[in-house]
Amino acid sequence: GAVVSQHPSRVICKSGTSVKIECRSLDFQATTMFWYRQFPKQSLMLMATSNEGSKATYEQGVEKDKFLINHASLTLSTLTVTSAHPEDSSFYICSARPDRGVSKNIQYFGAGTRLSVL
Amino acid sequence: AQSVTQLGSHVSVSEGALVLLRCNYSSSVPPYLFWYVQYPNQGLQLLLKYTTGATLVKGINGFEAEFKKSETSFHLTKPSAHMSDAAEYFCAVSSYGNNRLAFGKGNQVVVIP
Repeated sequence: GAVVSQHPSRVICKSGTSVKIECRSLDFQATTMFWYRQFPKQSLMLMATSNEGSKATYEQGVEKDKFLINHASLTLSTLTVTSAHPEDSSFYICSARPDRGVSKNIQYFGAGTRLSVL
Repeated sequence: AQSVTQLGSHVSVSEGALVLLRCNYSSSVPPYLFWYVQYPNQGLQLLLKYTTGATLVKGINGFEAEFKKSETSFHLTKPSAHMSDAAEYFCAVSSYGNNRLAFGKGNQVVVIP
């Protein structure tokens, strides 16, 4: 149980285009999901907290117009990197927190998306 | 604010030897503590967690960790390293009602045959 699917696993795009990344909780409902960014050989940096039915909460220094988050249902959150540039190239990871049950204090992570902007 | 300290970015251990990864946290409220493992180009997998109750926690793949409040520590151990244990390990802290996870910088574990 507690599986989080993230798609795509890898994407290569041209500078100036937009890229959408999906994060799905497959066997549980998650009102709250999280988006992280990880630079090579570094830890995870929380970008934003995604809340179903309301606006995402962005961390300081993260451009909300650059990284659009939509949490349209209790099992799906999307991150759209708009007008991507090479400096946006990174590993993006989502996580989801179950709404109920013994696992509700745990974040379960997707497999990540490697974004390369040319 | 909560924070986690993991010293020693790279840890080398011989196959069959003890694995010890240190984690110290800072939290103004009772913490929830986690160890996650990450294999190359993959997301994070939960190894074990401490929320309440027994302070010695057993996880997957033979790992365990002990919550020591007086030392603000949550060190991860495994009695005998296996080649498949080579990965990045992250310690993280949150608290009741706080969704946010604060991660340590991670330990890259290398297992030497």
